[in-house]
Amino acid sequence: SQQGEEDPQALSIQEGENATMNCSYKTSINNLQWYRQNSGRGLVHLILIRSNEREKHSGRLRVTLDTSKKSSSLLITASRAADTASYFCAPAGYSTLTFGKGTMLLVSP
Amino acid sequence: DTGVSQDPRHKITKRGQNVTFRCDPISEHNRLYWYRQTLGQGPEFLTYFQNEAQLEKSRLLSDRFSAERPKGSFSTLEIQRTEQGDSAMYLCASSLGQGPPNEGQFFGPGTRLTVL
Repeated sequence: SQQGEEDPQALSIQEGENATMNCSYKTSINNLQWYRQNSGRGLVHLILIRSNEREKHSGRLRVTLDTSKKSSSLLITASRAADTASYFCAPAGYSTLTFGKGTMLLVSP
Repeated sequence: DTGVSQDPRHKITKRGQNVTFRCDPISEHNRLYWYRQTLGQGPEFLTYFQNEAQLEKSRLLSDRFSAERPKGSFSTLEIQRTEQGDSAMYLCASSLGQGPPNEGQFFGPGTRLTVL
């Protein structure tokens, strides 16, 4: 299965701190995607990293991918209360998306 | 609003009733996807269309579930003889592309189904 497993299941930090979430998977992939879901904006695509890339940045987001360890990490720098959400990784081959259970991030003011 | 829209946003029904949900994708998107999400879980893939053709169906999609996209634009998802286990959020997504059917998906707000 290409389903990812996010770790930790829940994370609570203060505004301004960095948040790191990890994703592990079991099969070879074409790309790995991270999504965010909160009650206000639904499920939103954050970033896609391809299997031949090691690191990618988008604003305050930094994603790394280690295909030898079959793992990825999502770093959110200088977190804000608005970053409070569930974060899902989706390792993907050449078929459709499979999501894990997610990491629930709470950012307190 | 040019995003993916879903209707209704909430549906409460009694066990055994049939329900139908509608999804309107982003207008130029040729692919449309349905997912189901239960509390504490990530979305689970149900099925996807490329234009009007249904190209993949998950084993989660029992015989009571049917999806259509007759003109390659909007799609409907029907659940017949609903069961309490069908209670979930049903998400629709759309994308534009010819490559792997997992890139560039934009999600709608979902339809929350409660089966009493």
